[in-house]
Amino acid sequence: GAVVSQHPSWVICKSGTSVKIECRSLDFQATTMFWYRQFPKQSLMLMATSNEGSKATYEQGVEKDKFLINHASLTLSTLTVTSAHPEDSSFYICSARSAGTSGRAHNEQFFGPGTRLTVL
Amino acid sequence: SQQGEEDPQALSIQEGENATMNCSYKTSINNLQWYRQNSGRGLVHLILIRSNEREKHSGRLRVTLDTSKKSSSLLITASRAADTASYFCAGMDTGRRALTFGSGTRLQVQP
Repeated sequence: GAVVSQHPSWVICKSGTSVKIECRSLDFQATTMFWYRQFPKQSLMLMATSNEGSKATYEQGVEKDKFLINHASLTLSTLTVTSAHPEDSSFYICSARSAGTSGRAHNEQFFGPGTRLTVL
Repeated sequence: SQQGEEDPQALSIQEGENATMNCSYKTSINNLQWYRQNSGRGLVHLILIRSNEREKHSGRLRVTLDTSKKSSSLLITASRAADTASYFCAGMDTGRRALTFGSGTRLQVQP
């Protein structure tokens, strides 16, 4: 079964609002989580690396003030898209890297099912 | 940034034929992984090949890795219509320990 969940699976919002996406590792601790974005018919682009208890590391060109990442616990990371605009409409996918506890191999990485964001 | 390019970008074959997809990457990697993605859906992990391996098999999948050329290939034998999907390679960067993805190949298997 799924080992990483994302919530919500899809969301539609009005331009200017903020949207929060949750990524949870279900049966293992993840010291590191990654956030990706995928536009239609394109590949996954790494947005940021999130480490538990510290600030996220953003890829070049990704605005940290627009995409707020919080990794408050070993099983939860959140991505908040602030003041969303239509160009932020995309498929957001997280992945979680195992800390090597709870029966998962150290550094094994699992992907969530993705969240489709549509900004009107 | 993306790990590299995949070719072909799109591939259309008949059921029963073999499909070969190639991937080139840019950085040093610990391993290279292949994923499939059905339209609008999440990723499905297919196979992982470590940097010290040259070839790996899993069912109808065969993956090769050439670290000197920074390239990998995925072969799907005896393709089925259900294999229709996008396929991505992803390299585990030795430095950042993050997976970065290739541009992907859209495979269409005609029944």
